[in-house]
Amino acid sequence: AQKVTQAQTEISVVEKEDVTLDCVYETRDTTYYLFWYKQPPSGELVFLIRRNSFDEQNEISGRYSWNFQKSTSSFNFTITASQVVDSAVYFCALNPRGGSNYKLTFGKGTLLTVNP
Amino acid sequence: GAVVSQHPSRVICKSGTSVKIECRSLDFQATTMFWYRQFPKQSLMLMATSNEGSKATYEQGVEKDKFLINHASLTLSTLTVTSAHPEDSSFYICSASDGGSETQYFGPGTRLLVL
Repeated sequence: AQKVTQAQTEISVVEKEDVTLDCVYETRDTTYYLFWYKQPPSGELVFLIRRNSFDEQNEISGRYSWNFQKSTSSFNFTITASQVVDSAVYFCALNPRGGSNYKLTFGKGTLLTVNP
Repeated sequence: GAVVSQHPSRVICKSGTSVKIECRSLDFQATTMFWYRQFPKQSLMLMATSNEGSKATYEQGVEKDKFLINHASLTLSTLTVTSAHPEDSSFYICSASDGGSETQYFGPGTRLLVL
């Protein structure tokens, strides 16, 4: 069985602070994909990143960075110099076998509030 | 690229009526579409997986006769909530994948309110 745990239900920071959102996953598959999605108040899920299980290289995209640690089954997401527009619910998700036709397992999400 | 649209974005209907929600992939062909339901402050709950030209696969506990899914083409899937009741009020969101990548792209969602 697959499982994604986002232990932080809500996080509140002040603008310009750095913030890390945690994601821990469980799967028995050796090939899998991990995702982060952002859901702003409007409701649409915005795709942020995909990482496959064979690529542990960390990635940086502007103020966003991701730390994939296979040894601890974690895929954490850091926002540097947070902005009010970053306020949203962030979901971590797991695709257990790869292939877009397989179901995503979502974490419960972390509500990030960035205050001015 | 990878844009998914949903229509309508918001619908209010009377109890007992049926509501159809459309999900379209605008710039790619979606071999598979997924339908989710999301309650306030909760995660997404997968309702069904829709493959073009075949019957949808429903998750356990989801009534297939109540939530009718049709995936008639590679760019369109529809979800019909039949004989809607107030407890069906929710946020329904679809996603689509092109089969070439491992990514699901989500539509903007439909807020359904049944009075």
